[in-house]
Amino acid sequence: GENVEQHPSTLSVQEGDSAVIKCTYSDSASNYFPWYKQELGKRPQLIIDIRSNVGEKKDQRIAVTLNKTAKHFSLHITETQPEDSAVYFCAASIPAPGASGTYKYIFGTGTRLKVLA
Amino acid sequence: DSGVTQTPKHLITATGQRVTLRCSPRSGDLSVYWYQQSLDQGLQFLIQYYNGEERAKGNILERFSAQQFPDLHSELNLSSLELGDSALYFCASSVAPDGYEQYFGPGTRLTVT
Repeated sequence: GENVEQHPSTLSVQEGDSAVIKCTYSDSASNYFPWYKQELGKRPQLIIDIRSNVGEKKDQRIAVTLNKTAKHFSLHITETQPEDSAVYFCAASIPAPGASGTYKYIFGTGTRLKVLA
Repeated sequence: DSGVTQTPKHLITATGQRVTLRCSPRSGDLSVYWYQQSLDQGLQFLIQYYNGEERAKGNILERFSAQQFPDLHSELNLSSLELGDSALYFCASSVAPDGYEQYFGPGTRLTVT
């Protein structure tokens, strides 16, 4: 079935520590994995993404790793700051039937990250 | 600001009514995705349009429909509203039909009373 599992549901870290959020997807045809940050009452913001032809991508304090064999991908935030506190969602693309080059997106249930000052 | 706009920002209506939510994609984006986010829930994919054509459907109820117009703005129509339809409705846009790099609008908060 089409499923993305995300763990943990809540995560509290001390400022300056690292945070890791993990997702598992079910469809082996998934080839694009974005991560979104959503602050309370705001829109989801794309913070980083990875395509299936690479294993890791980094952007300053944020990195994403992908293990296609295990169907796992993870978000790593280093040197966390209070402004990193938000809900983080992972997502995986699923090919849409009958529409070549089109994908629908299944989102994880979110991780509420709290960075304690 | 993502460049994606949605109107209205808030909508309060009664059960049984019909509403229309509007979305304008970023300049140059041809693809529009609609999502529903219920309280404390993740994002549920509803439907996608690319250059005026429906391309993908998710868990969209039969009471809901959408379209994308020649100027690329999109509308989501929700009819026979029920209490459980209360949610945040987001649209997102991307350049291509693959949906890579989607940018979300600010959302429309629908409250059904």
